[in-house]
Amino acid sequence: GAVVSQHPSWVICKSGTSVKIECRSLDFQATTMFWYRQFPKQSLMLMATSNEGSKATYEQGVEKDKFLINHASLTLSTLTVTSAHPEDSSFYICSAPPETRGGYEQYFGPGTRLTVT
Amino acid sequence: KQEVTQIPAALSVPEGENLVLNCSFTDSAIYNLQWFRQDPGKGLTSLLLIQSSQREQTSGRLNASLDKSSGRSTLYIAASQPGDSATYLCAVETSGSRLTFGEGTQLTVNP
Repeated sequence: GAVVSQHPSWVICKSGTSVKIECRSLDFQATTMFWYRQFPKQSLMLMATSNEGSKATYEQGVEKDKFLINHASLTLSTLTVTSAHPEDSSFYICSAPPETRGGYEQYFGPGTRLTVT
Repeated sequence: KQEVTQIPAALSVPEGENLVLNCSFTDSAIYNLQWFRQDPGKGLTSLLLIQSSQREQTSGRLNASLDKSSGRSTLYIAASQPGDSATYLCAVETSGSRLTFGEGTQLTVNP
């Protein structure tokens, strides 16, 4: 099956710094990727839709200037958490929909755990 | 706005028991419904996907059903094992490949 990777798998950073998380589709092209956030003991919440070659679409309540998304190629989307604060500590997961529609599960990355101290 | 609810929030059963996890959604205009498993601190493992035109899917000891008109799905786990202990999430896919997740059911199977 198709594989999506994320890097890093975990990161610790100091408050006020920026952190970049990469999401790669390893054996397929992804014109669209999704970024989710999961707080402890909670479910996944969609943050934004990353579109190759165009601006990302953010969900209501997600600050686009804080969570910068770049989808510069068909295999790579990046999420940059700018001026990170402890409340940004969370598990970030990306996904990519199948290349063809019709009954195929989305491919999820393994997630990135961000801790802001 | 699509909302997904899972009941129960937590479940503890003895090994060998058959169990049912429930998922309901408010908007029946879905492309498909997926059940996932998530182990603590880990990503998602896809278990079953049911297309909107299907009624059920089976994989090993797992069986998922979908009643789109009533906005309900169930995940049936037969002969539960301690290794089944995890959080189970259901998610519905709507337009634009967007997934809306439920809060999950935390399952503990006791030896």
